[in-house]
Amino acid sequence: GAGVSQSPSNKVTEKGKDVELRCDPISGHTALYWYRQRLGQGLEFLIYFQGNSAPDKSGLPSDRFSAERTGESVSTLTIQRTQQEDSAVYLCASSFGRANYGYTFGSGTRLTVV
Amino acid sequence: GEDVEQSLFLSVREGDSSVINCTYTDSSSTYLYWYKQEPGAGLQLLTYIFSNMDMKQDQRLTVLLNKKDKHLSLRIADTQTGDSAIYFCAETIISGGSYIPTFGRGTSLIVHP
Repeated sequence: GAGVSQSPSNKVTEKGKDVELRCDPISGHTALYWYRQRLGQGLEFLIYFQGNSAPDKSGLPSDRFSAERTGESVSTLTIQRTQQEDSAVYLCASSFGRANYGYTFGSGTRLTVV
Repeated sequence: GEDVEQSLFLSVREGDSSVINCTYTDSSSTYLYWYKQEPGAGLQLLTYIFSNMDMKQDQRLTVLLNKKDKHLSLRIADTQTGDSAIYFCAETIISGGSYIPTFGRGTSLIVHP
């Protein structure tokens, strides 16, 4: 596609439920990144994919968080047993190769856990 | 420190120049970026600079890099109300062959008439 697409744009869920957030990167972009942005905060790195592999999962905050990528394309970030502290905007970015020239971000998914 | 640091707020008058400052962390950082985030939107890449450069100019934007002090700045000339947004500084740290960008907390630029 022309840009990075994320869905849903907004998600309200009850505490304890599981949620899936989707990212469609730009076609041909081999690298994909997930970040979390809490209100008034910077971007917190979660996970990075090169192709379908995730060489760096160091940012995942707990074992309730997992992510996968298939076909070197779509990625899904899953949060199990959501907690209120998971409320944030989840941003996805993609790049071609090593991103010498920057990353393209989606508009994010705003997750609210009530 | 381990963080990319930026001041949180900057207020300027329309037509004036804005200077947003950032200190980064890693002397091996190769790429440094400025992103703009408008309300409810993702991050938009404004400009980038390689660490072997001192300055880069792109229309109203000027990026200055002081490698000795690990200091990066973004100057916006003739600031307009449409420039009001959050500006993020980011560095790419080369670690184990992966290029993971690290972002500052963002500077909220408020442009008033």
